[in-house]
Amino acid sequence: QSVLTQPPSASGTPGQRVTISCSGSSSNIGVNTVYWYQHLPGAAPKLLIYNTNQRPSGVPDRFSGSKSGTSASLAISGLRSEDEADYYCAAWDDSLYGPVFGGGTKLTVL
Amino acid sequence: QVQLQESGPGLVKPSETLSLTCTVSGGSISSNYWSWIRQPPGKGLEWIGYIHYSGSTNYNPSLKSRITMSIDTSKNQFSLKVSSVTAADTAVYYCARLSNTGAWFDPWGQGTLVTVSS
Repeated sequence: QSVLTQPPSASGTPGQRVTISCSGSSSNIGVNTVYWYQHLPGAAPKLLIYNTNQRPSGVPDRFSGSKSGTSASLAISGLRSEDEADYYCAAWDDSLYGPVFGGGTKLTVL
Repeated sequence: QVQLQESGPGLVKPSETLSLTCTVSGGSISSNYWSWIRQPPGKGLEWIGYIHYSGSTNYNPSLKSRITMSIDTSKNQFSLKVSSVTAADTAVYYCARLSNTGAWFDPWGQGTLVTVSS
C-alpha cells in the first residue's frame, strides 16, 4: 500500500466545496512540503499545488492546499464537472530519501 | 518549454528486461533530477527512482534490486531498465523532471503503456 493515505473516493455537486485528505508521518508530511497532482484519464498527471499551498500559473484559485502536523488537505471550491479526476498527494520522505505518493482519490462530480 | 517523451517496446515477455528511454527537449538535461513513475492498471502512482545529471541515483527500495537508471547528456536522454519482469510490472510508465526541493514532478511525459505477457 501507499506511504501516504488518501480516501479512495470523494464526490460533490457542481458549485460545492470538497476536501481531500492526505495522511502521512513525521518523516514526510510532518517535515516537508506537500504536492498535489490532478490526473485525468489518458493524460499525464498535472501539478496542482506545490510547497503545500502554492498554485502554479494557470491553476484556478478554486484549488487550495493546507497542512497541519502530519496531514494535508486539498480543497476545491465551486466544483465543476471538469474537476472530475484522480487526485494524488505527494511529499519527500526523509527516511526513504525519495518522494512518496498517496494512493489517489477519485473525485466524482454528481 | 521543457518537454519529455517516453519511448520503448510496448510488450515485454516475462523474465525479460524492460527498457525505456525518455528524451528531453526544450532544455538541457544537465541540471535537476530526472525520474520515472509508473501506474499499474487500476492502481495509483508509484515512484520508481531518480537520476541526477551527474549519474547519481536513488531507487525505490521495493524495486531496487531490479532497477537500473542511466543518463546520456550528449543525447539529452535518460533511461530505465527493469529486469526479471512479471505481470505485476505491467503499467503506464511516466518520466518526469524532479525538483531538488521536494516531490515536485514537472513536467511529465505523456506516458507509455508497457505490458508484460508471453
